[in-house]
Parts: sequence; structure tokens; C-alpha cells
Amino acid sequence: DVKVTQSSRYLVKRTGEKVFLECVQDMDHENMFWYRQDPGLGLRLIYFSYDVKMKEKGDIPEGYSVSREKKERFSLILESASTNQTSMYLCASSSLRSSSGTPDTQYFGPGTRLTVL
Amino acid sequence: RKEVEQDPGPFNVPEGATVAFNCTYSNSASQSFFWYRQDCRKEPKLLMSVYSSGNEDGRFTAQLNRASQYISLLIRDSKLSDSATYLCVVNSYTNAGKSTFGDGTTLTVKP
Repeated sequence: DVKVTQSSRYLVKRTGEKVFLECVQDMDHENMFWYRQDPGLGLRLIYFSYDVKMKEKGDIPEGYSVSREKKERFSLILESASTNQTSMYLCASSSLRSSSGTPDTQYFGPGTRLTVL
Repeated sequence: RKEVEQDPGPFNVPEGATVAFNCTYSNSASQSFFWYRQDCRKEPKLLMSVYSSGNEDGRFTAQLNRASQYISLLIRDSKLSDSATYLCVVNSYTNAGKSTFGDGTTLTVKP
């Protein structure tokens, strides 16, 4: 079974703090993703990475950065947390291709519910 | 227009009912298709992949219509435990491994 773990389930931070969210997957997946999910807005992609030290901006990268130093680990960094970054953050991973050669499905971690006061 | 569109619902059905969800996608280069289920305050989990020939898993049937660019999910004999949000997901090579998620359809099954 694929396992994706996230460092915290719940996190409370103050405005201006630097926040690190960590994600680890154990399936040797090439791709890793960070999303945020807010009521009425669905899943929105923040950043993704298809290899170590590689990163690509998603749809809403502003205010975030990422780090992928090892294949299994993908970190999301909020350089200076703001109240509008209060959200559910979901990490996911996938292999580059499924056995049939098509882009593969994503597996999600349990999420981190971040509150910025 | 969104790349993947779903009827948000909510769908409120009695136990035992049959319910169907549709999802349309706009990228004709889309290659693989999935339905995910998300319970309240939990992460999305893969429910089933969707193949051109259609596929069935117990009470769940998924179909793909490439010509009309939509996929569907049929749930027969609904159970209370089927209450969740169902997300339609579309992948394409042009998106470099990214998935495009619909906003989800909420289903509530009532006794």
C-alpha cells in the first residue's frame, strides 16, 4: 500500500511566522504535489516536483516555496504566514507513468489543517 | 470555463437508490481518468479508474465517453456509508503528470 505521511495533522501559527510542512512518501514515486483545499474552491495546486531538486509552480504559488532534496520528501514553506493561508494542505505523490503508460493516479496524505492567527 | 466540471449537487437520496454523477472535461488530449472519494475533513482517496470500455466494481460503475468528453459514475443500491464528495480527476501528458480535479459532487444518502 502506498503511504504518504504529513508531519502534522493540525498546526496553529501566528502571522509572520515561517512555517514548514513536510511530506514523505514510501513508494519511490517521482512526482510529488502540494495542494490547498478551501470550501467552495476545490483543490488548488501550489507546487509540484517531478524529480529531486526540481520544482514547478502550480496555480497558486504566491507566498509559498518548496524543497525537494530527497526523492521521498517534499517540503512546503510559508515564508511569512498570513491569515489568508489558513487552509487544509494536502500532499500527494504519483509515479511518472502507470503500467499502461498513462499519467498515473495520485495518492494523498492525511492533510495538515493550518490556522494562521 | 473550468477544465473539469462537475455538478456540485448536493444529491440527497434515500438508501437503496441509484444515483449517477457526470463530469465533463475540455482537454481532448486527456489520457487517464479517475473517480476519487473524499469524506468530510479527510483526504481524497482513489475510488476507481475509468477505462474506455467502462468498468464495474461492486455497486459502482464508471464509464468514459471520449467523443463527448465526459465520464460518469453510477452508484447502485446506495448505502449510508456512500455519503461523501466524489471528485472527477483527469490526467494528460500535456500537463506533465499533473492531475486536474473537478470541484466534486456531494452525495448524502439518508435512511
